Amino acid sequence: EADIYQTPRYLVIGTGKKITLECSQTMGHDKMYWYQQDPGMELHLIHYSYGVNSTEKGDLSSESTVSRIRTEHFPLTLESARPSHTSQYLCASSARQRTEAFFGQGTRLTVV
Amino acid sequence: GESVGLHLPTLSVQEGDNSIINCAYSNSASDYFIWYKQESGKGPQFIIDIRSNMDKRQGQRVTVLLNKTVKHLSLQIAATQPGDSAVYFCAEAQGGSEKLVFGKGTKLTVNP
Repeated sequence: EADIYQTPRYLVIGTGKKITLECSQTMGHDKMYWYQQDPGMELHLIHYSYGVNSTEKGDLSSESTVSRIRTEHFPLTLESARPSHTSQYLCASSARQRTEAFFGQGTRLTVV
Repeated sequence: GESVGLHLPTLSVQEGDNSIINCAYSNSASDYFIWYKQESGKGPQFIIDIRSNMDKRQGQRVTVLLNKTVKHLSLQIAATQPGDSAVYFCAEAQGGSEKLVFGKGTKLTVNP
């Protein structure tokens, strides 16, 4: 069982609000990722990090930002939420020499 | 652009039958492939992986086959059980990259 945690699990928020989705892992993994997934659809990489102070944008453009100040923590922030941000956000991590990623349970975000 | 995709969006089988889920990829430089299982309301769960120097790998009740000639990947589940009902995704790591690219999922329904 992978030890990667996301909070909150569900979030309903009004347009224009700032939100931060939390992701923490206790496996000491160097690499962490954020994926966006619409219902019944594939996962799209929006951000990734290879270690502390390393962040890169993924394949899908996103208005969100991330930070990696500690190895175990990789929060995602939306400065001003919009209905188009409604989706599921999945955090994942993998070890330095490995490619397989372990996923959290996801945060289902609804912007009204 | 190059992508990973699945042939069938849905698959329905009887309990006890064998299931085969297919995946086509287009990037010949991809050298690592993973199958994930995603149950409703949960994050993807690692099932099995395979590197491009292999054409077959077996796990517990699951087998992954890789045909590099036609860029095809399949997941075989033996004696399918109701607990196998989920959406299955294949993902590839494109040569030299540590990022996983996901294909569209196949929803497997196991009928009792």
